Amino acid sequence: DAGITQSPRYKITETGRQVTLMCHQTWSHSYMFWYRQDLGHGLRLIYYSAAADITDKGEVSDGYVVSRSKTENFPLTLESATRSQTSVYFCASSPGGGTEAFFGQGTRLTVV
Amino acid sequence: DQQVKQNSPSLSVQEGRISILNCDYTNSMFDYFLWYKKYPAEGPTFLISISSIKDKNEDGRFTVFLNKSAKHLSLHIVPSQPGDSAVYFCAATDFGNEKLTFGTGTRLTIIP
Repeated sequence: DAGITQSPRYKITETGRQVTLMCHQTWSHSYMFWYRQDLGHGLRLIYYSAAADITDKGEVSDGYVVSRSKTENFPLTLESATRSQTSVYFCASSPGGGTEAFFGQGTRLTVV
Repeated sequence: DQQVKQNSPSLSVQEGRISILNCDYTNSMFDYFLWYKKYPAEGPTFLISISSIKDKNEDGRFTVFLNKSAKHLSLHIVPSQPGDSAVYFCAATDFGNEKLTFGTGTRLTIIP
């Protein structure tokens, strides 16, 4: 299917575990982003990537790692999950040039 | 430091009337503003945008107004319909920077 897809949609993990959230887009957009949505905070940027092998930190990057070996994939890894990382995570992509970003459906992550 | 603020967490409007959602920003470098709409269990979807060289942009029932001197923008929905019930996020960025800074969102409820 064309578009941007995230997997899994729902995940429960234990404190201290490593977990990876997947993001795949079929548009060949240059830019990809990871946001988290929390009540009272809106959407906050975790990491973004301008192209394959180019990534940079966002506002709330501590405890997260990303990679982008291929243009279409942008996985987000929580190295050692904490309860404060319980959130809804959104991946987005954009062709750049000041156009809008397109979001995936989100991954609801619960850390117990 | 919240650079994009949506001070009304919720808003209820009668069907057929005008909905006005407000957004304030503090970063004077922002020159491109967007509104996203989000339904439960879905990712945000782009609604309308405005560049800082304009003070108004219209798309069907949706109009965004920008007051640069006040660092304020608003989204007007006329007439409001039940399908407009959603969370609306204001976002901003500056030219050449593809990262979006989001507000905390306003939950709009249209009362039939």
